[in-house]
This record gives sequence, C-alpha cells and structure tokens, in this order.
Amino acid sequence: DVKVTQSSRYLVKRTGEKVFLECVQDMDHENMFWYRQDPGLGLRLIYFSYDVKMKEKGDIPEGYSVSREKKERFSLILESASTNQTSMYLCASSFGGANEAFFGQGTRLTVV
Amino acid sequence: GQQLNQSPQSMFIQEGEDVSMNCTSSSIFNTWLWYKQDPGEGPVLLIALYKAGELTSNGRLTAQFGITRKDSFLNISASIPSDVGIYFCAGQRRHFGNEKLTFGTGTRLTIIP
Repeated sequence: DVKVTQSSRYLVKRTGEKVFLECVQDMDHENMFWYRQDPGLGLRLIYFSYDVKMKEKGDIPEGYSVSREKKERFSLILESASTNQTSMYLCASSFGGANEAFFGQGTRLTVV
Repeated sequence: GQQLNQSPQSMFIQEGEDVSMNCTSSSIFNTWLWYKQDPGEGPVLLIALYKAGELTSNGRLTAQFGITRKDSFLNISASIPSDVGIYFCAGQRRHFGNEKLTFGTGTRLTIIP
C-alpha cells in the first residue's frame, strides 16, 4: 500500500514561530504536493515539487516555503506563523505524469 | 488560482437514499477525478474519468464526465452510513503529465439516523 505520512496529526504554535510540517512517502513518487483545506474553500495548493530540489508555487504560496532535499521527503515551512494560517494541511504524492495523488492523513495546525 | 464550483455544499439524507452532486468549471478539463475524505483522514480517489461523455461506475458510485468537458457528476445509490464524509471533484487539463490538480470546494454528506 502507498503510504504518505505526515509527522504530526495536531500542532499548536504561537504567532511568529517558525513551523515545520514534514511529509514522507514510501512509493518513490516523483511528485509531491502541499495543500491547505478550509471549510467552504476545498483544497488549495500551496506548493508542489516534481523532483528533488525543485519547487513550484501553487495558488496560495504567500507566507510559506518548501524544501525537498530527498525524493521521499517534502517539508512545508511557515516562516512566521500567523493566526490566518490555522488550517488543515494535507500532503500528497504521485508518480510523474500520473493523475492519482495519494494523500497523508493531514496535520491540523492551530496558531494562537 | 482557479477553483471548481461544487454543489451542493452539504447534504443531509436518510440511509438508503440516492445522492447526486456536481462540479462545474469555466475552463475545459481533460481529466476529472472524484475523491472522498473520511472524517480525520486524507482524501482517497474514488473514480477517474478521461473522456468527454464517459460514464464510470465503482460499486454504488457512478460518475460522468460532462460532454462540454466543463463539468462532472457523481451519484451514490442506496446510501449507507460509511458514505458519510466530504466528496471532492478535481480536474486536470492534460490526460497525463506533470500538472497540478484543481480541486472543488467539496460536498459534505451527512446521513440522518
């Protein structure tokens, strides 16, 4: 079975903190994605990566950065967390050129 | 960034009822996907559609790729309690290739006892 694992299910951080969300996949997928999910807005793409050390901005990259130093790992970084970044964050991966994305279980981040 | 309009936003139904939801876009997509998210989990792919007019079934689920390529529909027949969750449509302009998916806003399905 494909496994996409996010390091935390729940996180509470303070405004201004630097936050790292980690995602690891075990299927040798080329593509990895970070989404945030908010009620009524669905899934919005923050950043994605098609290869190691490659990254591309999604629809809402402001306030976020990413790192992909190894193929299996894709990290989302909140440089200075703000309350409007309180959300559910979902990581996904897929084979290059494939449609089906496999999702992790999500990290519910609360910024206070 | 573009989002797909998905309706209804939420549904409250009784067990055994049929369910219909749809997704519309102002742009053409060449691939439509339907995902389901169980409470506390990430979305899981239900059905993939690759051709305009295509009708595909997966058990009690049936999805259709609209003939205009700007919409898609998902039907669930004889709903059961495990159908509860959020359903998302997603579109992709290419059939294959490294291109991001655009997701709908979701339909939350609740089954009333």
